[in-house]
Amino acid sequence: AQSVTQLDSQVPVFEEAPVELRCNYSSSVSVYLFWYVQYPNQGLQLLLKYLSGSTLVKGINGFEAEFNKSQTSFHLRKPSVHISDTAEYFCALNLEGAQKLVFGQGTRLTINP
Amino acid sequence: DGGITQSPKYLFRKEGQNVTLSCEQNLNHDAMYWYRQDPGQGLRLIYYSQIVNDFQKGDIAEGYSVSREKKESFPLTVTSAQKNPTAFYLCASSEIAGGPYNEQFFGPGTRLTVL
Repeated sequence: AQSVTQLDSQVPVFEEAPVELRCNYSSSVSVYLFWYVQYPNQGLQLLLKYLSGSTLVKGINGFEAEFNKSQTSFHLRKPSVHISDTAEYFCALNLEGAQKLVFGQGTRLTINP
Repeated sequence: DGGITQSPKYLFRKEGQNVTLSCEQNLNHDAMYWYRQDPGQGLRLIYYSQIVNDFQKGDIAEGYSVSREKKESFPLTVTSAQKNPTAFYLCASSEIAGGPYNEQFFGPGTRLTVL
């Protein structure tokens, strides 16, 4: 069965520092991968998605992610974070023909001034 | 302005009472979903519906019920059989459930507290 593992439950960084949020997945077939962001007491918003093609995907708010098939990873990166990036981030996958997304446990990103 | 609305934002109920959470979308999406979110547990799927008058159980359907009488509406009832109903509930929709892209759009959520 497919699964998604977010390797860090919390990531604290200083403002303007780079950040990487790690996501690994398990699947024996082709996958489609997503990163969502959730600000406090709000719903989820799509940051970016990998469907096919270029393995480097750019999203909103300066985030990008790289799909690595051999490592079964889809890590999210931002070169310089801002206080407003404080949120919870979810990695998710879908399979061809699947009925539902599979979500990771989430990573809470905290930005310190 | 297309989107998903959930009401109310905050809901308080006494133990033993059923409560219904509203979810409406005007995106013309076929598929709709209900998730439960607890701290440190990510999102868990309660129910989903691919078309009107049809729905399937997700991973944690016990103690919940849904209906899908209209394409734009997918209300969730939390029954008294749900042992630990206090949580944040999220509704989502996507164009079609079985499509490979299956990008889901989320509502703002309802925080249910059972006293």
